Amino acid sequence: QVQLQESGPGLVKPPQTLSLTCTVSGGSINSDNHYWSWIRQPPGKGLEWIGSIYNSGSTYYSPSLKSRLTISVDTSKNQFSLKLSSVTVADTAVYYCARGGEVEQNFDYWGQGTQVTVSS
Amino acid sequence: SYELTQPPSVSVSPGQTASITCSGDTLGHKYVCWYQQKPGQSPVLVIYHDRKRPSGIPERFSGSNSGNTATLTISGTQAIDEADYYCQAWDSSTGVFGGGTKLTVL
Repeated sequence: QVQLQESGPGLVKPPQTLSLTCTVSGGSINSDNHYWSWIRQPPGKGLEWIGSIYNSGSTYYSPSLKSRLTISVDTSKNQFSLKLSSVTVADTAVYYCARGGEVEQNFDYWGQGTQVTVSS
Repeated sequence: SYELTQPPSVSVSPGQTASITCSGDTLGHKYVCWYQQKPGQSPVLVIYHDRKRPSGIPERFSGSNSGNTATLTISGTQAIDEADYYCQAWDSSTGVFGGGTKLTVL
């Protein structure tokens, strides 16, 4: 059973960089036909896709966040990471990491989510 | 940018059928997924590829997608189905979620 766990600071000051890591267990991050994604949910609002990284190393980012965003993979640690620069209060949200299936085009496993608050 | 539109809320009586729609330009040409999210919990995939159910999802959950509208149908709705539901699709390698629909089981 694949499990994902987000980790990182719960409080970030503007305009610093938000950094989160997702640790994958129960399966290899190198597994074929999967991609690894970040999704966030502002308080009381809906889900927002942030970006995804594929085993090929290809990354796809939300157009609205692309200029501030980096997603990377560390296969030696079975982890992938998110860096979002120049954060503002609008970046306050629960951040989820998730696994996706290239064939199924879904997000089939999700982490429990981590609350990140941007405040000075 | 591509948008998916859902009704903010849907109400249903226990045992009845609930239908939640998701609209987008030529959505029928894309694969749609549906996620269920209960308060304080992570989303759970309930439908993918328009109509397929992951292992462990009850048969009362079904989906369809045609034209500009995808629909999640819950037959024999139970109190435990009360949750927020989100549709999701891909457009030019960009993930898109609908705004979410709060399903109330009265």
